[in-house]
Amino acid sequence: QVQLQESGPGLVKPSQTLSLTCTVSGGSISSGSYYWSWIRQPAGKGLEWIGRIYTSGSTNYNPSLKSRVTISVDTSKNQFSLTLSSVTAADTAVYYCARGSTVEVTGNRLQVAFDIWGQGTMVTVSS
Amino acid sequence: QSALTQPASVSGSPGQSITISCTGTSSDVGSYNLVSWYQQHPGKAPKLMIYEVSKRPSGVSNRFSGSKSGNTASLTISGLQAEDEADYYCCSYAGSSTFEVFGGGTKLTVL
Repeated sequence: QVQLQESGPGLVKPSQTLSLTCTVSGGSISSGSYYWSWIRQPAGKGLEWIGRIYTSGSTNYNPSLKSRVTISVDTSKNQFSLTLSSVTAADTAVYYCARGSTVEVTGNRLQVAFDIWGQGTMVTVSS
Repeated sequence: QSALTQPASVSGSPGQSITISCTGTSSDVGSYNLVSWYQQHPGKAPKLMIYEVSKRPSGVSNRFSGSKSGNTASLTISGLQAEDEADYYCCSYAGSSTFEVFGGGTKLTVL
């Protein structure tokens, strides 16, 4: 079955760029109609959707983070990645990657649910 | 502040039923049947429990059910078990500008 695994530095300095990668195993990132998302969770707080990339390469971002976020895909490595620029302590969180199942509604591809999640990786922003 | 509003906590005794609400607006929960619910145990990744308001993924107990009325979705857990103690999050599609929004989460305590 498909599994997701996050990887990347656990410590990032303020004002620098956070970079994480999600490796997809057990299936091709290019097959099927899925969104591939990043979601984060500060300690003791709720979940926040960061953004996603579709198998076609198109992206959507959380409006509150859009100016600092880039999500890209490397189909040859079966990976997708997150970069978050100009980080502050408020970006300290567990970062999850997740697969989103989809449905087509009147010509639009909408997400049904996050059906598979990675285990999460803790990222701390501190000098 | 989360886009969807959930109670911070609910509790129930083993065998009882509880319901967790998730209140949004006409721009998200009220407009789309794309509400999902996730269970998260401490230190673990969330797990999908309900999708498209009321559908259960394979392997999820039929003690979990979902519904929606207007701008409020609900998750009901019947026959509470100790293992149900966890945090629960709702999520909804919110249109082509905002996309996906989560609730703030509800901590379920099994007494």
